[in-house]
Amino acid sequence: DTEVTQTPKHLVMGMTNKKSLKCEQHMGHRAMYWYKQKAKKPPELMFVYSYEKLSINESVPSRFSPECPNSSLLNLHLHALQPEDSALYLCASSQDRLAGGETQYFGPGTRLLVL
Amino acid sequence: AQSVTQPDIHITVSEGASLELRCNYSYGATPYLFWYVQSPGQGLQLLLKYFSGDTLVQGIKGFEAEFKRSQSSFNLRKPSVHWSDAAEYFCAVAPMDSNYQLIWGAGTKLIIKP
Repeated sequence: DTEVTQTPKHLVMGMTNKKSLKCEQHMGHRAMYWYKQKAKKPPELMFVYSYEKLSINESVPSRFSPECPNSSLLNLHLHALQPEDSALYLCASSQDRLAGGETQYFGPGTRLLVL
Repeated sequence: AQSVTQPDIHITVSEGASLELRCNYSYGATPYLFWYVQSPGQGLQLLLKYFSGDTLVQGIKGFEAEFKRSQSSFNLRKPSVHWSDAAEYFCAVAPMDSNYQLIWGAGTKLIIKP
């Protein structure tokens, strides 16, 4: 089973709202990722958690706040977003580092619209 | 700089015809190579990957890809496309010194003519 689940599927929020995106995997993977994808573009890496510790933050604005409560869960907390943050947010996981020959598996994404 | 090039922004193929999507990478050593497919509004699904060994790799949904070291290419092929293959296809590489980052191509949109 290579399933990564994400909730919600769709989210509409105002610029003053606080919301959270959730991601879950039960494959025992130790690395989890958040990506942002705009239409007709490849995904852009935002954050990576490895063994529940933040390993990579790709200079993402502080209005995005990741959290890894345990090895199976990954959250992305959203606050005071801008309309340009509207995008598909993808979660992914891998067994371990890609340099070890691992593969990233993606969830279906959350389609976010900021009004 | 490391890069991945998918030269075709979109390709139109008739249903039942063969398909080849191109991918070239720029990197000193052979990286790990991946093809992902994304249907509209969906996540990315792994089609196949190359790490080492046989240069012809079989994937899901009848796709295959061939790694050619001399051309730094990893082209995706399918002998007969179906309407359900219409999607965006992304080539990605993981450099061997990469911990977590994939380098992505810009993607190729596959359009199927009935």
